[in-house]
Amino acid sequence: AQRVTQPEKLLSVFKGAPVELKCNYSYSGSPELFWYVQYSRQRLQLLLRHISRESIKGFTADLNKGETSFHLKKPFAQEEDSAMYYCALRTGTASKLTFGTGTRLQVTL
Amino acid sequence: DAGITQSPRYKITETGRQVTLMCHQTWSHSYMFWYRQDLGHGLRLIYYSAAADITDKGEVSDGYVVSRSKTENFPLTLESATRSQTSVYFCASSPAGGPDTGELFFGEGSRLTVL
Repeated sequence: AQRVTQPEKLLSVFKGAPVELKCNYSYSGSPELFWYVQYSRQRLQLLLRHISRESIKGFTADLNKGETSFHLKKPFAQEEDSAMYYCALRTGTASKLTFGTGTRLQVTL
Repeated sequence: DAGITQSPRYKITETGRQVTLMCHQTWSHSYMFWYRQDLGHGLRLIYYSAAADITDKGEVSDGYVVSRSKTENFPLTLESATRSQTSVYFCASSPAGGPDTGELFFGEGSRLTVL
């Protein structure tokens, strides 16, 4: 069965420091990975997906099939990055996603 | 542009009562989902629907019932609420196929407390 693991419940970094939110997955097929973000008092929303290979709000994520990882990175954290981040795995043809347990990113001055 | 709306936003009920959470979307998205969000568990899928009259169980479907008689509505019913069903419930929708497949659009959530 598919599984998504986010080992850190809370990640606290200083403003301007690099950020790496870890995500590992287990799935025997060809995965599609996503990062979703939930800012305070806002809806959960898509941040980026691996097939787009894009940078959103300075964040990037590379799918590493050898290590079954999809870590989210940003070189310089900003206060507005403070939020809850979920890694998600899509399997099959439906839009059904399996989410990790989430990591709360706290950016302090 | 209402998008996807959930009601009620907050609900307190007692053990054994039936509760229905409503979800309505205006995009005519084919797929709709119900997730619950719990500390330490993240988001877990309760039920999903690929189209009107087509529903399927997720990983935590016990104690829940859904229906989808119309594309735009996807109500979730707790037939006999238990304390373990205290949670924040999120409804989401997604278009079928195309480059947007996999992007879910979430409602604001419904916070349910079962006493």
